[in-house]
Amino acid sequence: GAGVSQSPSNKVTEKGKDVELRCDPISGHTALYWYRQSLGQGLEFLIYFQGNSAPDKSGLPSDRFSAERTGGSVSTLTIQRTQQEDSAVYLCASSLVPPPQWDTQYFGPGTRLTVL
Amino acid sequence: EDKVVQSPLSLVVHEGDTVTLNCSYEVTNFRSLLWYKQEKKAPTFLFMLTSSGIEKKSGRLSSILDKKELFSILNITATQTGDSAVYLCAVLCFLSSGTYKYIFGTGTRLKVLA
Repeated sequence: GAGVSQSPSNKVTEKGKDVELRCDPISGHTALYWYRQSLGQGLEFLIYFQGNSAPDKSGLPSDRFSAERTGGSVSTLTIQRTQQEDSAVYLCASSLVPPPQWDTQYFGPGTRLTVL
Repeated sequence: EDKVVQSPLSLVVHEGDTVTLNCSYEVTNFRSLLWYKQEKKAPTFLFMLTSSGIEKKSGRLSSILDKKELFSILNITATQTGDSAVYLCAVLCFLSSGTYKYIFGTGTRLKVLA
């Protein structure tokens, strides 16, 4: 079956522009996660969804970041007024059930965002 | 502040060597610790550990958790070039808001030479 997909795979934008990153989770997975990985750094946990609801948004780096999920499926991460420090690989993952119940997270290939 | 620290940052070994990767953590409301292998972009899951002293094993890889000393190790025996990757450690924490978050270390970059 299909894995987690993300689009676009690469995005180059100018400082100040808004960008939307998309994640299609594995069908039937109720939990969806967004992470950011800056060059040479580990993963930074941003937000997770249980169904369409994000229980805690405090992991988002600033109020320029927002995320939504519709229909229990596709999620978009929106960054408004992008800054150079937003440049990173944004990874999405999904799992059959959300924490604390355990299930393996399956990661997508990521979107590499470059802000010029 | 919650943190997860991995060591060493990088490691170069020869095929057949055994390696031990370390992960220590300081978090509130620990729930579980996870190990991932990241070869290119997408990490792949290796182990989840919740109880101290119980070794998880998969082929040449094994891992154990010490909740008293707040660390975990990942062992790889008889290393192969295909083991070359970044190994990530993450801790799942319960938040006072009633939700959860994952805290990742910066990873250990392992290179196995033929």
